[in-house]
Amino acid sequence: DQQVKQNSPSLSVQEGRISILNCDYTNSMFDYFLWYKKYPAEGPTFLISISSIKDKNEDGRFTVFLNKSAKHLSLHIVPSQPGDSAVYFCAAVEGSNYKLTFGKGTLLTVNP
Amino acid sequence: GAGVSQSPSNKVTEKGKDVELRCDPISGHTALYWYRQRLGQGLEFLIYFQGNSAPDKSGLPSDRFSAERTGESVSTLTIQRTQQEDSAVYLCASSQRWRGGRDEQFFGPGTRLTVL
Repeated sequence: DQQVKQNSPSLSVQEGRISILNCDYTNSMFDYFLWYKKYPAEGPTFLISISSIKDKNEDGRFTVFLNKSAKHLSLHIVPSQPGDSAVYFCAAVEGSNYKLTFGKGTLLTVNP
Repeated sequence: GAGVSQSPSNKVTEKGKDVELRCDPISGHTALYWYRQRLGQGLEFLIYFQGNSAPDKSGLPSDRFSAERTGESVSTLTIQRTQQEDSAVYLCASSQRWRGGRDEQFFGPGTRLTVL
């Protein structure tokens, strides 16, 4: 049973446009969400996070939106750059638990 | 280099052989995680070490898998009698673990294991 779902395996956008990556979760006990980015042959790196007490968190070109009632979050990248091309993983955690539950990832390709 | 390192980067082995994967965490990080990523799947939690506490082994898929960590340093993940379904990228991560899972985890580049 997948508790964190990224239903789009891939996404292709044009440089300068907005990239929107989506993530859905089923466990209502999740209260903290993270996005990690992964380049080929490298480990994932932390990108941005959001607590369930917020509905938006922004860091430069990256914004994460959380809709708790829909159990949905999204990562917006504006403007998209070719260097953003990578696999993006959504992850969730419950309370002070140390275990992260990851989605399968979405491959973002930003075309010049 | 202050990042998490893993060795080997690639390992090809025959079915039935044992393999040992190594992880060097960031100095000072008390928490260490092992994950597995099979093709087309997300990261799957395997095991968690926190300081000198007993590790959480709840994610290990079978008793063929074991892991050790010496204090707050190097960790090894051992897979005995490897099977083809063990083929995956094995990732190690470390964190300071003062906010539990909310703490940023720093990942190594992974070990790609192929079992023939």
